[in-house]
Amino acid sequence: GNSVTQMEGPVTLSEEAFLTINCTYTATGYPSLFWYVQYPGEGLQLLLKATKADDKGSNKGFEATYRKETTSFHLEKGSVQVSDSAVYFCALLLTGGGNKLTFGTGTQLKVEL
Amino acid sequence: GAGVSQSPSNKVTEKGKDVELRCDPISGHTALYWYRQSLGQGLEFLIYFQGNSAPDKSGLPSDRFSAERTGGSVSTLTIQRTQQEDSAVYLCASSLVSVGNTIYFGEGSWLTVV
Repeated sequence: GNSVTQMEGPVTLSEEAFLTINCTYTATGYPSLFWYVQYPGEGLQLLLKATKADDKGSNKGFEATYRKETTSFHLEKGSVQVSDSAVYFCALLLTGGGNKLTFGTGTQLKVEL
Repeated sequence: GAGVSQSPSNKVTEKGKDVELRCDPISGHTALYWYRQSLGQGLEFLIYFQGNSAPDKSGLPSDRFSAERTGGSVSTLTIQRTQQEDSAVYLCASSLVSVGNTIYFGEGSWLTVV
């Protein structure tokens, strides 16, 4: 079946530190890949996406590159801020599978001053 | 509306009671989804609507759960005879009809069964 595996949290960083949240996937086809973010008390928001191998999604200083050879979509940011504290979800979507997102379990990020 | 709207935002109910959760998708979005977010389970897919029909209801956990959509717009998720394990955040999402379009989520309905 299809699945997404994320590194477990919580991840605690100091402001301006470099962030990596690992995400790997298993899929029977060629999925589109997504990162969603959930800020405290809010709903899920799309952060970035990539629809084919070697694509790089980017938004708000975050980046992730679709690596087919390693089935990965790691999230990175060069300098985190306190306002980036949230839960980050990696997800995949397969065409032909409806439009159903399969999510990882989420990684909580805490950024401290 | 501007985004996916869900109601109620919070609901506390007694075990054994029925609850209804409502979702109003983004105007023009024909695809609508229900997910459940609970501690230890992450985000689970429940059901997917295309228009008023549900081609995929594989995630509904039991026959106590049902959902309908009318007029290609508002959807209601009903949980009958609630159990404590039903306590979770129920998230609704919508998207344009084409596969691969961005899926937008509401803020969720927090359900607590006591």
